[in-house]
Amino acid sequence: QQQVKQSPQSLIVQKGGISIINCAYENTAFDYFPWYQQFPGKGPALLIAIRPDVSEKKEGRFTISFNKSAKQFSLHIMDSQPGDSATYFCAASKDNDMRFGAGTRLTVKP
Amino acid sequence: NAGVMQNPRHLVRRRGQEARLRCSPMKGHSHVYWYRQLPEEGLKFMVYLQKENIIDESGMPKERFSAEFPKEGPSILRIQQVVRGDSAAYFCASSPQTGGAYEQYFGPGTRLTVT
Repeated sequence: QQQVKQSPQSLIVQKGGISIINCAYENTAFDYFPWYQQFPGKGPALLIAIRPDVSEKKEGRFTISFNKSAKQFSLHIMDSQPGDSATYFCAASKDNDMRFGAGTRLTVKP
Repeated sequence: NAGVMQNPRHLVRRRGQEARLRCSPMKGHSHVYWYRQLPEEGLKFMVYLQKENIIDESGMPKERFSAEFPKEGPSILRIQQVVRGDSAAYFCASSPQTGGAYEQYFGPGTRLTVT
């Protein structure tokens, strides 16, 4: 069964806009929530991560918002740039068991 | 500090042949994970290994697939008698030895094509 649901499947944003990708998880035992960025032909690279004891984490233009009661978390990309065009995966893990969302293909138009 | 290394980067096999994919984790990492990614799809967990031990192989097909992480050398994902449906990108990731929730660092992947 799919333990992490990610939406939307694809997203088109104008340069300078805000990109928002949402994820929901089922297993309340998950205690670590990373986001990965993947460019075509490359492996996923860790972008930013959060633990459930905080509701928000910001690193540069990237922010994770976390809602523990709703079992949801989201990635916000501020001032989106064409170089941000990639596929983004959310994930949730407990110990060394990590489950990934299906991915969101982001296209930032110049 | 070298990242996770995978080889070969591209592998072409005919149906019925064997495919061997290798993964060298980051220095100091003793946990290795294998994932499969089909075109336009997400990452599907296959197997989690520590040195000389398979910890979780719940995502591994029961037949034809096997994995190992020997005391010395890289982790190996082995696919016997490959079929066209095995064509995919296979990614290896590694994480540190200490317990708890830790980042997994991915290699560049091996793209397997079965003809």
